[in-house]
Amino acid sequence: DVKVTQSSRYLVKRTGEKVFLECVQDMDHENMFWYRQDPGLGLRLIYFSYDVKMKEKGDIPEGYSVSREKKERFSLILESASTNQTSMYLCASNSFGGGGHEQYFGPGTRLTVT
Amino acid sequence: AQSVTQLDSQVPVFEEAPVELRCNYSSSVSVYLFWYVQYPNQGLQLLLKYLSGSTLVESINGFEAEFNKSQTSFHLRKPSVHISDTAEYFCAVIFLSGGYNKLIFGAGTRLAVHP
Repeated sequence: DVKVTQSSRYLVKRTGEKVFLECVQDMDHENMFWYRQDPGLGLRLIYFSYDVKMKEKGDIPEGYSVSREKKERFSLILESASTNQTSMYLCASNSFGGGGHEQYFGPGTRLTVT
Repeated sequence: AQSVTQLDSQVPVFEEAPVELRCNYSSSVSVYLFWYVQYPNQGLQLLLKYLSGSTLVESINGFEAEFNKSQTSFHLRKPSVHISDTAEYFCAVIFLSGGYNKLIFGAGTRLAVHP
């Protein structure tokens, strides 16, 4: 079974802090994704990566950056956390050419910025 | 703009009753269609998908969805729900329009099954 893990289930940070959310997948997938989930808005794509050191902006990249130094790991960085970044963050992965196929999701990190 | 609409944000239903969760998408281009389920405090799991072939697809736990190209819809149905089906359901679409094709999600439908 594909396993996607996220470093924290719950995280509380203060406004202005730098925040790192980590995601690891164990299926050698080329593609990895970061989404934000908010009530009534569904999932919105923040960034994705189709290869090591490669990244592409999604629909809502403002205020976020990403890092992919190893194939299995994809990090989401909030350079200076703000209260409007309080949300559920979901990581996903799939294989190359998997644009037409399912994505496998981690359990999510619920981030609260106070 | 390409979009996915789930017409009901919440659907309350009694146990053993039938249910339909509605999903429509905006474009007439070719698509891949998915339903994901999210149980409380968990990530999303794929419930079923349509890529090609038969327009009726089924999941292992009794859900089915039918791709209707003319109505650009992919509604999810179950003839008899259980308490354990209580979850949030997301419809997602890949619009095959060239380049990298993103997965676009609807806003979700919260299914609440009552005894």
